[in-house]
Amino acid sequence: GAGVSQSPSNKVTEKGKDVELRCDPISGHTALYWYRQSLGQGLEFLIYFQGNSAPDKSGLPSDRFSAERTGGSVSTLTIQRTQQEDSAVYLCASSPGHLYEQYFGPGTRLTVT
Amino acid sequence: GENVEQHPSTLSVQEGDSAVIKCTYSDSASNYFPWYKQELGKRPQLIIDIRSNVGEKKDQRIAVTLNKTAKHFSLHITETQPEDSAVYFCAASNPNFGNEKLTFGTGTRLTIIP
Repeated sequence: GAGVSQSPSNKVTEKGKDVELRCDPISGHTALYWYRQSLGQGLEFLIYFQGNSAPDKSGLPSDRFSAERTGGSVSTLTIQRTQQEDSAVYLCASSPGHLYEQYFGPGTRLTVT
Repeated sequence: GENVEQHPSTLSVQEGDSAVIKCTYSDSASNYFPWYKQELGKRPQLIIDIRSNVGEKKDQRIAVTLNKTAKHFSLHITETQPEDSAVYFCAASNPNFGNEKLTFGTGTRLTIIP
């Protein structure tokens, strides 16, 4: 079946602009996660959605970052007034629920110039 | 919150030898410990996981051990092959409400020398 998809695959934006990154999870997966991975670095947790519960936003690095998950499916990560330090690969993952395998998408490579 | 430390950061192993990667965690309530493999330019993929009700789990050449008392777990890869070259991430998670995310280690870059 279809895996997790993300769009765009690459995004180049100017400093100060807003960007939206999209994640389509695997159908039926109730949990959705966003991570950030800087070049050669680990996976930095950003935000977690589980069903209809309030999202865990504890990993968002600043109030310029926000995310939504509409209808329990598609999620959008928005970064406002982008800065050069926001440059990274943004990975989305979904899972059937807590304590289950997370299936990662291919990521969106964001470059802020 | 949870803190996961992973060692070593880089590891080079002769093909056919074994590789061991170690992780420690801080939250004694954590009860799920997956390992992910990320090949260059690709997405992370789960290779094995262990839950706190068992001490060891094996899948062909890969095994994971868990010591809950010491709060550490390890990945063992035997008879290493070139395709094992990748970055490996450990992670820990606990079921407490409001803290259901995975906390990842910083990764180990494993290189298999032919």
